[in-house]
Amino acid sequence: GAVVSQHPSWVICKSGTSVKIECRSLDFQATTMFWYRQFPKQSLMLMATSNEGSKATYEQGVEKDKFLINHASLTLSTLTVTSAHPEDSSFYICSAGGQGRGEQYFGPGTRLTVT
Amino acid sequence: GENVEQHPSTLSVQEGDSAVIKCTYSDSASNYFPWYKQELGKRPQLIIDIRSNVGEKKDQRIAVTLNKTAKHFSLHITETQPEDSAVYFCAATPSSGYALNFGKGTSLLVTP
Repeated sequence: GAVVSQHPSWVICKSGTSVKIECRSLDFQATTMFWYRQFPKQSLMLMATSNEGSKATYEQGVEKDKFLINHASLTLSTLTVTSAHPEDSSFYICSAGGQGRGEQYFGPGTRLTVT
Repeated sequence: GENVEQHPSTLSVQEGDSAVIKCTYSDSASNYFPWYKQELGKRPQLIIDIRSNVGEKKDQRIAVTLNKTAKHFSLHITETQPEDSAVYFCAATPSSGYALNFGKGTSLLVTP
């Protein structure tokens, strides 16, 4: 149980275009989902907390107009990177909140390369 | 906000030896402390966790200890094997929400 999927697993896009990443909880309902970004050889940095049916909460320094998050159902959250630039190239990982405080189930990640 | 410090950043041990990774946190209200193992290009994998009402937890070769007074917790891996080689992250849940704050990671290399 507690399986989280992400799609796509990798994507290459041109500078200036937008990319949408999907995060799904396959066998449970997730009221809260989280989006992280991980640059090479660095830690996971929380970008935003996504709550079903309400606006996402963004961490300081994360542009909400650039990283659009939608959590329209209890099993799906999406992250759209708008007007992508090469510096947005990174490993994006989502997670879904479990029953207990802090417990999270991670998706497999999406490797984004902006050329 | 919550600040999690992790040491060392790299650790090299010989197969069969023990490895210890330490983390400190700043928010005394934090109450959940997981440890994750991440292999290159893959998702973080939860290997063990501990809550603030417990001082120690063990699962086969892996153990975690928590000192709430000193606000630090440690991961202990005994009888290390080459397949233990990976990056290990500690994390803590701040009192302000459910998100995890991660340490910077420790790259563990176990040499045969």
